[in-house]
Amino acid sequence: AQSVSQHNHHVILSEAASLELGCNYSYGGTVNLFWYVQYPGQHLQLLLKYFSGDPLVKGIKGFEAEFIKSKFSFNLRKPSVQWSDTAEYFCAVRGSQGNLIFGKGTKLSVKP
Amino acid sequence: ETGVTQTPRHLVMGMTNKKSLKCEQHLGHNAMYWYKQSAKKPLELMFVYSLEERVENNSVPSRFSPECPNSSHLFLHLHTLQPEDSALYLCASSQAIGGYEQYFGPGTRLTVT
Repeated sequence: AQSVSQHNHHVILSEAASLELGCNYSYGGTVNLFWYVQYPGQHLQLLLKYFSGDPLVKGIKGFEAEFIKSKFSFNLRKPSVQWSDTAEYFCAVRGSQGNLIFGKGTKLSVKP
Repeated sequence: ETGVTQTPRHLVMGMTNKKSLKCEQHLGHNAMYWYKQSAKKPLELMFVYSLEERVENNSVPSRFSPECPNSSHLFLHLHTLQPEDSALYLCASSQAIGGYEQYFGPGTRLTVT
């Protein structure tokens, strides 16, 4: 069965620190990968997605992710976080039924 | 705003009550989804509809009953729920089933007492 693992449950950073959130998926076929963000009290929003092509994907708000097929990974990065990046981040892979299979999420707390 | 609305935003119900959650999308999408978000667990897919036909039922208990009268509306009818059903229920839509971005509503926070 397809699954997504996010290794960090809660990450605490100071403003201007660099961020990398890990995501690994289990699926050997063609993958569509997503990162969603959920700000406190708000709905899930798409940060970025990978379908094909350049494995380095740029999203909104300065986020990027790199698809490494050999490692089954799709890690999310941002060079310098801001307090407003405090949120929960979810990695997802498209399932065989067209649905999204999500990881458990990583809470990011950025200290001002 | 994502173009997907859900009502009510909060719901408290007893185990013997019957209630319904409503989702509406204004994006012209053809696929709609119900997900359950519980604390410390990944989002779980409950139901998938494509062009008003149910495509996926992820072994959800029969006390949850979905209804999709048209491509813009999706309901989740609830009856005789258990306290462990307390969660955030999220609706999403996408252009079609497949590798398309899903747009999520704000969710309904359900508490079963």
